Amino acid sequence: AQSVTQPDIHITVSEGASLELRCNYSYGATPYLFWYVQSPGQGLQLLLKYFSGDTLVQGIKGFEAEFKRSQSSFNLRKPSVHWSDAAEYFCAVVPRSGSARQLTFGSGTQLTVLP
Amino acid sequence: NAGVTQTPKFRVLKTGQSMTLLCAQDMNHEYMYWYRQDPGMGLRLIHYSVGEGTTAKGEVPDGYNVSRLKKQNFLLGLESAAPSQTSVYFCASSRGTVYGYTFGSGTRLTVV
Repeated sequence: AQSVTQPDIHITVSEGASLELRCNYSYGATPYLFWYVQSPGQGLQLLLKYFSGDTLVQGIKGFEAEFKRSQSSFNLRKPSVHWSDAAEYFCAVVPRSGSARQLTFGSGTQLTVLP
Repeated sequence: NAGVTQTPKFRVLKTGQSMTLLCAQDMNHEYMYWYRQDPGMGLRLIHYSVGEGTTAKGEVPDGYNVSRLKKQNFLLGLESAAPSQTSVYFCASSRGTVYGYTFGSGTRLTVV
């Protein structure tokens, strides 16, 4: 079955530390890949997306993500976390073919940042 | 530039009552979507529309109806609310399937 998985429900890091949030997908062909962030009480904001080409994608707010075809992964990274990065992060995909070509979300990873 | 606006922001319903959630976008997007967000389950697609006058079912459509009479508006209706419909509802719009979505700020609905 097609799915997108975020293995970590909750991650805690100290301010200034590096961050990596995991995302794995299970699709016949590599889907279009996205990362969104949701601050408390807010809607979702697009951080970055991958369609093709360079496997390291730069996004807003200093985030980047690396696509690894061999691992079916699209992990989100940030070299130095700021307190304002505390939020929930969602990996999402759109299949490249088929009838269900809408955005499908993972279950999310809640990020807590310690001072 | 307002983007995507959802009304109301909060609502409490009694079981069996009906209500309509309104989503309006000012970006001339063709595609509009309704999602619900529940703890630990991410966002799940309820219904979507690929253009004015069209609607289609998503992953969890039961108990909901939608209408897209005008390109800029996408309405989500609950005919007979149930406690299982307690959730946060998000509307989104996009230029197309593979473009990033613009989300509204959500409607928190509680059914008692």
